[in-house]
Amino acid sequence: DAKTTQPNSMESNEEEPVHLPCNHSTISGTDYIHWYRQLPSQGPEYVIHGLTSNVNNRMASLAIAEDRKSSTLILHRATLRDAAVYYCILILRQGAQKLVFGQGTRLTINP
Amino acid sequence: DAGITQSPRHKVTETGTPVTLRCHQTENHRYMYWYRQDPGHGLRLIHYSYGVKDTDKGEVSDGYSVSRSKTEDFLLTLESATSSQTSVYFCAISSRDSNEKLFFGSGTQLSVL
Repeated sequence: DAKTTQPNSMESNEEEPVHLPCNHSTISGTDYIHWYRQLPSQGPEYVIHGLTSNVNNRMASLAIAEDRKSSTLILHRATLRDAAVYYCILILRQGAQKLVFGQGTRLTINP
Repeated sequence: DAGITQSPRHKVTETGTPVTLRCHQTENHRYMYWYRQDPGHGLRLIHYSYGVKDTDKGEVSDGYSVSRSKTEDFLLTLESATSSQTSVYFCAISSRDSNEKLFFGSGTQLSVL
């Protein structure tokens, strides 16, 4: 099972951009890069995912390195509601698989 | 929001008693997962299912069993609960049709005294 590595914690200020890194050096060609976040006292929720190209949605952007061994989740203008634990996980396009989450990055947003 | 319901939402039980947690989905998703979450450990996979009657072990399966007799229901059973199984349990679902996105339930807080 491919693993991901993320910093344990990061801190940013409100209304500033936040770049959350994830390393996945053992990624295979069929692995999608998914990001989830978990707000306090809630279940994790989907944020964004991609394969090779950078992706944008209403929540965030995902920048994927050319060799796909790392990726960065970008929150363009952080708000206090973005304070959460962010998880990066690799998911095969299809098929049964053990989806193993790491510890994630705890993001603190300062007012 | 994806239709996932976990029950019960909270449960307090005694050591040695059997406990069953239920995950019910209305999305007809093929894959279902049970995770536990403890302070300092993030999410840890207990068991997962890739179809009716098809299940496999995750990272921390000891002391847990699962069953999936219908697409919509995935049951997690603690045959004889121990205090170390006090945790928050999350169910998740996914499918190829949803681009393998995971949708999580709201969680079950289990306390074993």
